[in-house]
Amino acid sequence: EPEVTQTPSHQVTQMGQEVILRCVPISNHLYFYWYRQILGQKVEFLVSFYNNEISEKSEIFDDQFSVERPDGSNFTLKIRSTKLEDSAMYFCASRRRVGSNQPQHFGDGTRLSIL
Amino acid sequence: QKEVEQNSGPLSVPEGAIASLNCTYSDRGSQSFFWYRQYSGKSPELIMFIYSNGDKEDGRFTAQLNKASQYVSLLIRDSQPSDSATYLCAAPHPRGSNYKLTFGKGTLLTVNP
Repeated sequence: EPEVTQTPSHQVTQMGQEVILRCVPISNHLYFYWYRQILGQKVEFLVSFYNNEISEKSEIFDDQFSVERPDGSNFTLKIRSTKLEDSAMYFCASRRRVGSNQPQHFGDGTRLSIL
Repeated sequence: QKEVEQNSGPLSVPEGAIASLNCTYSDRGSQSFFWYRQYSGKSPELIMFIYSNGDKEDGRFTAQLNKASQYVSLLIRDSQPSDSATYLCAAPHPRGSNYKLTFGKGTLLTVNP
């Protein structure tokens, strides 16, 4: 069964450094998302991406965050200058087509630890 | 603010019992709901979705939706220790063709052998 893959599984970075989290969505999916989950808290929406542009972003997704789909398969989340509070699990998700009953499939996540 | 509320638990049931997980939502415009299972340190895994009032059954799982009461539930019959996880209720919110998910905090279920 096709799945969303994310790399790395764990990233440890010094505060102020840039990080890039990578995702390969399911190949025939058109809608892509990033979510994060701080330890012990709920899963929070960060950004959605469709047709090579951001379709919606949350208040969390400030100027330090950016997303890109550089080559038609990878979908990346970049944090330009990391802060301690960016430590969380980051999940990539993808969805095949439009419709409220179309499920999002999640990758295994990247655990980001900021020191 | 569109909210999805869940009792965080923990909910503890004996093996073989029925586990009942509940979720309420604030947005009357929400049309469908997803139940995800999340093992500790892992990603959300889709269990079921429901978009019509009433019950939807899939194996040992039954989702129930009551739009008038803004209430959605998940029943797990013949609970197994492997069902021990956090169960997340999620509602998609449309903006154009985007349907970002708003998650509840999740209910921690423990099934005791």
